[in-house]
Amino acid sequence: QQPVQSPQAVILREGEDAVINCSSSKALYSVHWYRQKHGEAPVFLMILLKGGEQKGHEKISASFNEKKQQSSLYLTASQLSYSGTYFCGTVRGGTSYGKLTFGQGTILTVHP
Amino acid sequence: NAGVTQTPKFQVLKTGQSMTLQCAQDMNHEYMSWYRQDPGMGLRLIHYSVGAGITDQGEVPNGYNVSRSTTEDFPLRLLSAAPSQTSVYFCASSWTVNEKLFFGSGTQLSVL
Repeated sequence: QQPVQSPQAVILREGEDAVINCSSSKALYSVHWYRQKHGEAPVFLMILLKGGEQKGHEKISASFNEKKQQSSLYLTASQLSYSGTYFCGTVRGGTSYGKLTFGQGTILTVHP
Repeated sequence: NAGVTQTPKFQVLKTGQSMTLQCAQDMNHEYMSWYRQDPGMGLRLIHYSVGAGITDQGEVPNGYNVSRSTTEDFPLRLLSAAPSQTSVYFCASSWTVNEKLFFGSGTQLSVL
């Protein structure tokens, strides 16, 4: 079962902030975030394991709320290079362990 | 350091033909997986493997077959191609499912 991402699309001006959300109806073991540019393969951003941790760098970070089975990706002071499609991927526990399933993606466009 | 190598990059098939998409990695990764990407659908998991000799189905396995006889190789077989299998296919690998996925460059497949 694919996680659900919101919003489907975001348009920003350079320097603005954005939040992309990812939610699942099932208990999660980990949440992954990737960014994909048009015509290219997805590129790894970060992984969060269950435990509610927040990870990331100065301008791109993420949180994982294990109880709510939700993760959020925070992009601050956006740059033109942030444009692309962002995917969250989730790994559930139990018999589904091993399956990394991705959401439908969020298209982020940053304008000058 | 080649990483994950997918071949071919482009392929056109006629309905009913069979073919094999090749995927090889040189990082000694145990975990390998195949995704298909269609507009608006995100990345959907076809099959995955947690080690040589072990494979399992993902979200959309019908019409596809895999095997994992070595750690390095994870070929995807289309048994009888259908127009619905027109898509971009990505192979990916990592040490475990909860670590960074390395993606191949993708195969664009058209079935006429």
